[in-house]
Amino acid sequence: AQSVTQPDIHITVSEGASLELRCNYSYGATPYLFWYVQSPGQGLQLLLKYFSGDTLVQGIKGFEAEFKRSQSSFNLRKPSVHWSDAAEYFCAVAPRGGGNKLTFGTGTQLKVEL
Amino acid sequence: EAGVAQSPRYKIIEKRQSVAFWCNPISGHATLYWYQQILGQGPKLLIQFQNNGVVDDSQLPKDRFSAERLKGVDSTLKIQPAKLEDSAVYLCASSLARGTGAQETQYFGPGTRLLVL
Repeated sequence: AQSVTQPDIHITVSEGASLELRCNYSYGATPYLFWYVQSPGQGLQLLLKYFSGDTLVQGIKGFEAEFKRSQSSFNLRKPSVHWSDAAEYFCAVAPRGGGNKLTFGTGTQLKVEL
Repeated sequence: EAGVAQSPRYKIIEKRQSVAFWCNPISGHATLYWYQQILGQGPKLLIQFQNNGVVDDSQLPKDRFSAERLKGVDSTLKIQPAKLEDSAVYLCASSLARGTGAQETQYFGPGTRLLVL
């Protein structure tokens, strides 16, 4: 069965420090890959997505993610975190040709210390 | 461009009562999704509509949950009767659905937070 694993439930970083959030997936074939962010009381906002091509994907708000097929991973990174980045981050996958159905990980809560 | 609208934003009910949530997708979006997000978990798809037809309701607890999208625009999700474990955030999302089979970005509303006592 397909699954998405985000091994870090909580992460705390200092403002200005770099950030990496981990995501691993288990799927029959390489799925479409996504990162969403959810601020308190807000809906999910798409940060970036990987469909094919360049394995380093640039997104909004200065985020990027790298797809590594050999590791079944799609980790999210940001070189310098801002206090406004504090939120919950979700990795998600969708099957190719599979009707747009998203399967989400359990999320990583990011806290930013000033 | 207006986003996905949901109401109410918060609802508190007693167990065994009924409740309904409303969603208005982005104008022109043919596909509409309802997700359930339990505290500490990622969103889980309950039901997906393409226009007013159901595409996927495999994870909808049909003994108590129902959803409709009669005119292919707004949608209502109902729970009757509610259980304690239904306490969650219910998210609505929509996507354009160009019919090409390609993956499409889903745009999410702010959600309805339900507490069942």
